[in-house]
Amino acid sequence: DAKTTQPNSMESNEEEPVHLPCNHSTISGTDYIHWYRQLPSQGPEYVIHGLTSNVNNRMASLAIAEDRKSSTLILHRATLRDAAVYYCILREYNNDMRFGAGTRLTVKP
Amino acid sequence: GAGVSQSPSNKVTEKGKDVELRCDPISGHTALYWYRQSLGQGLEFLIYFQGNSAPDKSGLPSDRFSAERTGGSVSTLTIQRTQQEDSAVYLCASSSGLGQDEQYFGPGTRLTVT
Repeated sequence: DAKTTQPNSMESNEEEPVHLPCNHSTISGTDYIHWYRQLPSQGPEYVIHGLTSNVNNRMASLAIAEDRKSSTLILHRATLRDAAVYYCILREYNNDMRFGAGTRLTVKP
Repeated sequence: GAGVSQSPSNKVTEKGKDVELRCDPISGHTALYWYRQSLGQGLEFLIYFQGNSAPDKSGLPSDRFSAERTGGSVSTLTIQRTQQEDSAVYLCASSSGLGQDEQYFGPGTRLTVT
């Protein structure tokens, strides 16, 4: 499986933007980039995914480097509810996903 | 509609006993996944079902672990002769099985082996 590298932890202030990086230098042409997050004491929830182009949805934006070897999840205005572990995952078409250790995001009021 | 449900929510068992964990996926979802998460750790993939078949069993940690899915719906994860290192939260997820589908996770079963 292609692997991803994320910082163990990050901090942000409430109502400020947050940029969560992910490196995936061994990504293949058919791998999609998925992001999930896990709030305390809950199962993970889907955030966003993309292949080559940047993506936006109601939760976040995903910026993908031109060479696809890295990507950044952008939370435009962090709230206390965004405190969670964020997982960056590479997924081939219709295949299962392998979660790494993720980045623990702390949001300070 | 109803989300993914898992039962029991908590299970305490003695070392050496067998346990069964149940997952009810979202109606119509053909893909079903089992993961486990030890305290403070990330998710560890166990097994994946497409319909009733399991094309990927590579994550099962030992032959004490098995899973089945019947009728393309409910799945049961069985752990035989439980060990203390089996203590973890067992998470189930389901998805439509089409393309880059979103996985919907259940609340998990917290298993404690004493």
